[in-house]
Amino acid sequence: GDSVTQMEGPVTLSEEAFLTINCTYTATGYPSLFWYVQYPGEGLQLLLKATKADDKGSNKGFEATYRKETTSFHLEKGSVQVSDSAVYFCALSLTSGTYKYIFGTGTRLKVLA
Amino acid sequence: DAGVIQSPRHEVTEMGQEVTLRCKPISGHDYLFWYRQTMMRGLELLIYFNNNVPIDDSGMPEDRFSAKMPNASFSTLKIQPSEPRDSAVYFCASSSRHGLRETQYFGPGTRLLVL
Repeated sequence: GDSVTQMEGPVTLSEEAFLTINCTYTATGYPSLFWYVQYPGEGLQLLLKATKADDKGSNKGFEATYRKETTSFHLEKGSVQVSDSAVYFCALSLTSGTYKYIFGTGTRLKVLA
Repeated sequence: DAGVIQSPRHEVTEMGQEVTLRCKPISGHDYLFWYRQTMMRGLELLIYFNNNVPIDDSGMPEDRFSAKMPNASFSTLKIQPSEPRDSAVYFCASSSRHGLRETQYFGPGTRLLVL
């Protein structure tokens, strides 16, 4: 069935380190792909999205490219900050057949000063 | 815009009591979603509405849970009777008429503790 798989956390990095959080998906049809971020005590908020193959979403220094051939949407940032510490969720939405909006399990990122 | 509004932000109740969670979506949004988040199960979609009509409630865990959307600006999620395993953070989210492939806007959540 349709699903989203994220790398297990927690991920602990030093400030200014390079970040990659892996996300792969399984979907029947052509999903839109999203990364959401959840800061402590808050709801999820959109970080970036891509709606078709080869699209690159970007925001606040984060980037992710929709790779249809590898069914992936990995999140990257060149230099993380302490303020990036949060939980990151990969998600997909599908409208072919039954509507679905599926979230991954989330990856906790901790950035140390 | 005030964003999605949820109340209460925190709720502590005793097993067997009725709990009602409330949500006001963003004005103009015609999709509304209820999620539950726990450490064990992550983020689960419970039910979603389109134009106030429930479309998919397959995620509602059991008959103790019910949700209504009497108008475009208000929805409730009710648990009766509540049980300790219902303890979780419950989120409401809304999106626009093109929402099936669009961003969901989440409220701050209601943290429920059932003793």
